[in-house]
Amino acid sequence: SQQGEEDPQALSIQEGENATMNCSYKTSINNLQWYRQNSGRGLVHLILIRSNEREKHSGRLRVTLDTSKKSSSLLITASRAADTASYFCATDVNAGGTSYGKLTFGQGTILTVHP
Amino acid sequence: GAGVSQSPRYKVTKRGQDVALRCDPISGHVSLYWYRQALGQGPEFLTYFNYEAQQDKSGLPNDRFSAERPEGSISTLTIQRTEQRDSAMYRCASSYRTGGSYEQYFGPGTRLTVT
Repeated sequence: SQQGEEDPQALSIQEGENATMNCSYKTSINNLQWYRQNSGRGLVHLILIRSNEREKHSGRLRVTLDTSKKSSSLLITASRAADTASYFCATDVNAGGTSYGKLTFGQGTILTVHP
Repeated sequence: GAGVSQSPRYKVTKRGQDVALRCDPISGHVSLYWYRQALGQGPEFLTYFNYEAQQDKSGLPNDRFSAERPEGSISTLTIQRTEQRDSAMYRCASSYRTGGSYEQYFGPGTRLTVT
């Protein structure tokens, strides 16, 4: 079953614009991760944010986490055509304090960046 | 260094046949995960190994699915008596250590089609 719900399901923007994707989840987590999947290729890890963190940056990526609302957002600034991909949030569920990396993925947001 | 590799990349089989999917993780990675991804969906967890020990197989759909990692490196996911509903992308991931804080590196996947 899918824990995360991403929205929007699809996002289309022009190069240079910012893209924001949201993820909501249902249960307590140890951390939340974002992955990118290009068409026909594997998943690539982008960024991890722990449950006690509120914001994290990596290059043009900014991730926020609100554990009270059980939600996260991924912001890509100054988007490029090469950012065109599907983006997935994945949660490492807190099962009694144990964490071994069993990730639960959302359904993903399809981002299209037009040159 | 080499990333996670999977073979075959594509597999077409007839209903009722057995298939074996192979995953070769990054050298030295302790943890190995199997996921299944349906078209337009995020990956779903199948099973997980820590070294050679299968720690969690809660995601395996039924007893036709099994996995092993006998020497703590290469893993094989076997599906017996395949059915059309088994058609999907099967992805393998490995991480340096056990735990959700460690990035998972995904392989390119095996696209299984059952006719």
